[in-house]
Amino acid sequence: EVHLVESGGGLVQPGGSLRLSCAASGFTFSTYWMTWVRQAPGKGLEWLANIKEDGSEKNYVDSVKGRFTISRDNGKNSVYLQMNSLRAEDTAVYYCIRDRRWERLFDYWGQGTLVTVSS
Amino acid sequence: DVVMTQTPLSLSVTPGQPASISCKSSQSLLHRDGKTYLYWYLQKPGQSPQLLIYEVSNRFSGVTDRFSGSGSGTDFTLKISRVEAEDVGVYYCMQSIEHPRTFGQGTKVEIK
Repeated sequence: EVHLVESGGGLVQPGGSLRLSCAASGFTFSTYWMTWVRQAPGKGLEWLANIKEDGSEKNYVDSVKGRFTISRDNGKNSVYLQMNSLRAEDTAVYYCIRDRRWERLFDYWGQGTLVTVSS
Repeated sequence: DVVMTQTPLSLSVTPGQPASISCKSSQSLLHRDGKTYLYWYLQKPGQSPQLLIYEVSNRFSGVTDRFSGSGSGTDFTLKISRVEAEDVGVYYCMQSIEHPRTFGQGTKVEIK
């Protein structure tokens, strides 16, 4: 059974940094793209970034480009989101997602981890 | 970026009645490979989103046939043939024709 478990969320001050982790299990992690999507409180879904199976290709939404970095460690079956220069508007639940790139669909979502940016 | 616009933003439906949600994209979602990259996700209360429909009209594994998707180019529709209590939540359309992927604003469906 596929499991995606995010961790690393919490309260951080504006301008601070946080690193989210997503531990994957139940599938061959190294053969899937992975994606991060977030959801601000009471708001809709915002796609943030994705990363190719071997980490050689990454894509970002403009709102986080230059501040957030997606990475992965296939040996640890994990994907990460390094978030720097955090702003109040980055407050959201962050979801880790398995991306079936050949069909361009998101078939498994983690439960999410809450990031709160506040002084 | 491709803008996805959903209507209505909220819907109150009597159990057993049909429901329909529209999604329009700011540009065609028909790729040169012949596929149309339009998806529907449902976020039930307190849960992570789940995939319902991929490539306009294909039901994802385990999705009831009460859900159907249709459309082409820039205009798409999700239909629920007979709404049940378990269908409540927020429905999102999403495009995957280009980066960044973008979602519609969401349509909240509730039961009367």
